[in-house]
Amino acid sequence: AQKITQTQPGMFVQEKEAVTLDCTYDTSDQSYGLFWYKQPSSGEMIFLIYQGSYDEQNATEGRYSLNFQKARKSANLVISASQLGDSAMYFCAMREGQETSYDKVIFGPGTSLSVIP
Amino acid sequence: ETGVTQTPRHLVMGMTNKKSLKCEQHLGHNAMYWYKQSAKKPLELMFVYNFKEQTENNSVPSRFSPECPNSSHLFLHLHTLQPEDSALYLCASSQGDGSYEQYFGPGTRLTVT
Repeated sequence: AQKITQTQPGMFVQEKEAVTLDCTYDTSDQSYGLFWYKQPSSGEMIFLIYQGSYDEQNATEGRYSLNFQKARKSANLVISASQLGDSAMYFCAMREGQETSYDKVIFGPGTSLSVIP
Repeated sequence: ETGVTQTPRHLVMGMTNKKSLKCEQHLGHNAMYWYKQSAKKPLELMFVYNFKEQTENNSVPSRFSPECPNSSHLFLHLHTLQPEDSALYLCASSQGDGSYEQYFGPGTRLTVT
């Protein structure tokens, strides 16, 4: 069963507007972490933001914020004031549990974001 | 200096060739990872090394052979690959103490002919 779902294969947003990228997840663990990564056409995966399952406040990093709704198992990424450089693939990911000292992360299928001038 | 480097960036090889992908991290991390990214498929974890010990092998075919001589270097040895192995191979590292962030390299775009 797919653990990370991103229902939007492609999204368009006007420059300077805000955009929300959807992510839902499935886990039975109480302790888990949620991530968003950006992958430009160059290929490198760039870490954007992290939300722990016990964090009471939504994570924010500059223009990125994570809308965490635990009961709905959703972790949407909000990008404010979109810039042309935001055009990229965006991946939602989840780390389950804390039993291992390394990070076993499951990635979603990704959403392609295009920012229109 | 880039935190995680990968060489080569592009590789074209025949099915009978043997080649190796190299990854190096300059971040002092203890865990290193190989991922495969195929078109239209989510990123797939292949191998994890924690403190130079292999801790994960996600049912990867034996034609892929990882090697981790030390905490800073990770190799992926390739032999008798198939065309369906063509993909972007990404290396990543993390602190390995349960902290959450993985740092990725730029990837090697592999084409098997």
